[in-house]
Amino acid sequence: RKEVEQDPGPFNVPEGATVAFNCTYSNSASQSFFWYRQDCRKEPKLLMSVYSSGNEDGRFTAQLNRASQYISLLIRDSKLSDSATYLCVVNPPGKLIFGQGTELSVKP
Amino acid sequence: DGGITQSPKYLFRKEGQNVTLSCEQNLNHDAMYWYRQDPGQGLRLIYYSQIVNDFQKGDIAEGYSVSREKKESFPLTVTSAQKNPTAFYLCASTPGREGADTQYFGPGTRLTVL
Repeated sequence: RKEVEQDPGPFNVPEGATVAFNCTYSNSASQSFFWYRQDCRKEPKLLMSVYSSGNEDGRFTAQLNRASQYISLLIRDSKLSDSATYLCVVNPPGKLIFGQGTELSVKP
Repeated sequence: DGGITQSPKYLFRKEGQNVTLSCEQNLNHDAMYWYRQDPGQGLRLIYYSQIVNDFQKGDIAEGYSVSREKKESFPLTVTSAQKNPTAFYLCASTPGREGADTQYFGPGTRLTVL
C-alpha cells in the first residue's frame, strides 16, 4: 500500500460544478496535512493546511478524517482558473510525503 | 523580492556527464530540500539540509550529491551514476527545520539526458 494515495484523475468538470478529491494515508501517526496546487510545468504552491476540525477558505473546504485516514478537498463553483493538479501532502513522523496528484480540468 | 531561484530552467546533458543544478533562497530559511518529480508521480525527496554544513539523504539519494556551504545556497549535482536522471527537479525551503512547515518551492529545473 502506498503511503499516500490520491484519487486518480483527470477530473473534467464544467464551470460552476462542485468537485471533491480524496487522499488516503497509511501512517496513523501522521500529524500534519496539506493540499498544494501545481499548475502545468510549474512548482507546487500551498493551497491550504488541513486541520482536525476542518477548514474553509472561500470556495475551498478541507476535511480530515483520522479514523478512516483520509483527507478531502472540496471545490465549489469551479472556475476555469482552478484547472491544475492538486497534491495531497502528509507528515508522518520525520517525513513529508507527497501524493501523486489529481488533475482537475474545468471546462467552459 | 524574496524567494527561491533555480537555474537553469532547462538543462540538457549527455550520458556520462555530471551536472549541477543551482538553488538559492533569500528568505533566510533554515532548511532546504531537493525533490524529483516524474510524470504521474508525487515528489520524491533526494536530499535535505536543516543547517549549514549538514545534510541528510532522502528516499532516492543514489546518484546525487549536495553541499550546503552557505545558508542561502543548496546546489544539487546529478552524477553519471544516476541511472535515469531525466526529470523535473524542485528545490524548496522551510522557515524552520521541520519539513512539515510550509514548503516554498523554486520554479524548478527540467533536466533531459540526451
